[in-house]
Amino acid sequence: RKEVEQDPGPFNVPEGATVAFNCTYSNSASQSFFWYRQDCRKEPKLLMSVYSSGNEDGRFTAQLNRASQYISLLIRDSKLSDSATYLCVVKSGAGSYQLTFGKGTKLSVIP
Amino acid sequence: DVKVTQSSRYLVKRTGEKVFLECVQDMDHENMFWYRQDPGLGLRLIYFSYDVKMKEKGDIPEGYSVSREKKERFSLILESASTNQTSMYLCAGTDGGSGNTIYFGEGSWLTVV
Repeated sequence: RKEVEQDPGPFNVPEGATVAFNCTYSNSASQSFFWYRQDCRKEPKLLMSVYSSGNEDGRFTAQLNRASQYISLLIRDSKLSDSATYLCVVKSGAGSYQLTFGKGTKLSVIP
Repeated sequence: DVKVTQSSRYLVKRTGEKVFLECVQDMDHENMFWYRQDPGLGLRLIYFSYDVKMKEKGDIPEGYSVSREKKERFSLILESASTNQTSMYLCAGTDGGSGNTIYFGEGSWLTVV
């Protein structure tokens, strides 16, 4: 089983739609979780951290389910500018180098 | 925020050439990383460094070496470039403390012909 798995997509959604991505991880000892956004031919940038209690930042909501070992990202009222690849990142140990990246889920928001 | 700068954005090199990719971060933090990213394979860790002159192999170190002579600078070296090293290379640094957030440079697109 891969350490961090994401549906590669693409997810093609109309503007204004709500879309959700899941990411599963295999290491039950994983400590920290993040969503990164990567635009085409650009570097990944932190979108949001994922907290145990779930967290929201504007139209974006991230949740963690430790029992089932997955995290999710919900985007409400999709904008054209949300089109990007969303990377799930899991930190499995105390050292910051123990980061595992998912391969990303591609989102295309269409007019 | 940590700012990570990769000086070479686009390079074309010949097979067998020695290639240097430079990376500088503007904050006084210890941890720096080199990744490569390829379609369908995602981000793969080549090397990382947690202090000056310290380095650790990542998942795919073969064909690469690194240098960390100063805290702010972390260089990736391809001793003898090969076509399978054509890729986007991303340098990254963390924001210190528990190192939870990783910040990337803009990437270096290397083509080996």
